[in-house]
Amino acid sequence: SQKIEQNSEALNIQEGKTATLTCNYTNYSPAYLQWYRQDPGRGPVFLLLIRENEKEKRKERLKVTFDTTLKQSLFHITASQPADSATYLCALDLNYGGSQGNLIFGKGTKLSVKP
Amino acid sequence: GAVVSQHPSRVICKSGTSVKIECRSLDFQATTMFWYRQFPKQSLMLMATSNEGSKATYEQGVEKDKFLINHASLTLSTLTVTSAHPEDSSFYICSASLAGGRGEQFFGPGTRLTVL
Repeated sequence: SQKIEQNSEALNIQEGKTATLTCNYTNYSPAYLQWYRQDPGRGPVFLLLIRENEKEKRKERLKVTFDTTLKQSLFHITASQPADSATYLCALDLNYGGSQGNLIFGKGTKLSVKP
Repeated sequence: GAVVSQHPSRVICKSGTSVKIECRSLDFQATTMFWYRQFPKQSLMLMATSNEGSKATYEQGVEKDKFLINHASLTLSTLTVTSAHPEDSSFYICSASLAGGRGEQFFGPGTRLTVL
């Protein structure tokens, strides 16, 4: 069966440390993998997108890796801050680009950064 | 850029009534919009894909006669929950993607529906 799993429901870390979130999938062949941030009672906000032929993508304190052999993506937040506390969702894009995106979302990992 | 709004943000209604939720792209034209539903601690579940000027495409298990979608213009899509029941209580979120974009979606703030 097809599954997308995010390693843990919750992750607690100390301010200043690096948060690492994991997204694993089975029986999918996504062209892209996307990461979103969702705050309570709000819609998700797009963070990063990585293509199947890219190993790593960075944006400020964020870094995403994509290993299509392991069927895994890692999402890192360096020098974490309490303001980074939120739920982070990974999403598989099965439509090989274009605007007709068919995204399959994981349940998310709730990150809490303690001061 | 790429801002999506939703209205209302919260609605409480009696069982059996119909509720309309609006989704607007404020600063771009969205030929395609998506409607999701999210239950507590669950992932976003795609309900339907809405294309401007044509019928929506519903995901398996989503009743098209219960969840009416209209995408009459390039900036507005509406979702009407007809004859709502308590089990329809959920967080409804719309999104849109940019034509020619990379595939990322821009989400509205969501609508919390509570059916009594």
